[in-house]
Amino acid sequence: AQSVTQLDSQVPVFEEAPVELRCNYSSSVSVYLFWYVQYPNQGLQLLLKYLSGSTLVESINGFEAEFNKSQTSFHLRKPSVHISDTAEYFCAVTPSGGYNKLIFGAGTRLAVHP
Amino acid sequence: GAGVSQSPRYKVAKRGQDVALRCDPISGHVSLFWYQQALGQGPEFLTYFQNEAQLDKSGLPSDRFFAERPEGSVSTLKIQRTQQEDSAVYLCASSSQVRDEQYFGPGTRLTVT
Repeated sequence: AQSVTQLDSQVPVFEEAPVELRCNYSSSVSVYLFWYVQYPNQGLQLLLKYLSGSTLVESINGFEAEFNKSQTSFHLRKPSVHISDTAEYFCAVTPSGGYNKLIFGAGTRLAVHP
Repeated sequence: GAGVSQSPRYKVAKRGQDVALRCDPISGHVSLFWYQQALGQGPEFLTYFQNEAQLDKSGLPSDRFFAERPEGSVSTLKIQRTQQEDSAVYLCASSSQVRDEQYFGPGTRLTVT
């Protein structure tokens, strides 16, 4: 079985400051890793994913995440946040074989203040 | 193009009532998932369809929960004799192939009073 732990339920940060949202996972098999974002009153959107290859993955809006197998982590980072990044962020995993049944963490609420 | 749609967006049910939640996946998508998201929690897997076949229903919390996808497109999640603990947002997601990215609908917020 797999599980995901998001260590911070809320992260307040000022605009243009850097941010890191932490995610650790547990699994006895190899996994694929994802970050999803949920803006207020909207559905979940895929932000970025790690399937294989380079352990550093990037999104089109400046976020990046690094897969660290030894630490079983997939932390999300952005060097300079905007007000519009305010949202709920979910880390998720799925076993690398079979279909994409996602196991989510509890979420981290990122609040960007002016 | 159209994304995943769900209806109704909001549903209030009295305890003991039956409810039916509908999901319209993206046209042609093979895989369809249902998740339950309780307040302040991440989504939890309920069930998975590949076309019309329900291949995994391990996440359904009780036999009051039932899902179907009879023609391999629209899916319905039915909850019988609703209880207060069923209050949650129910999310539907679809993907074009078995291992492709999942696209999520906006969810149905169910409140059981």
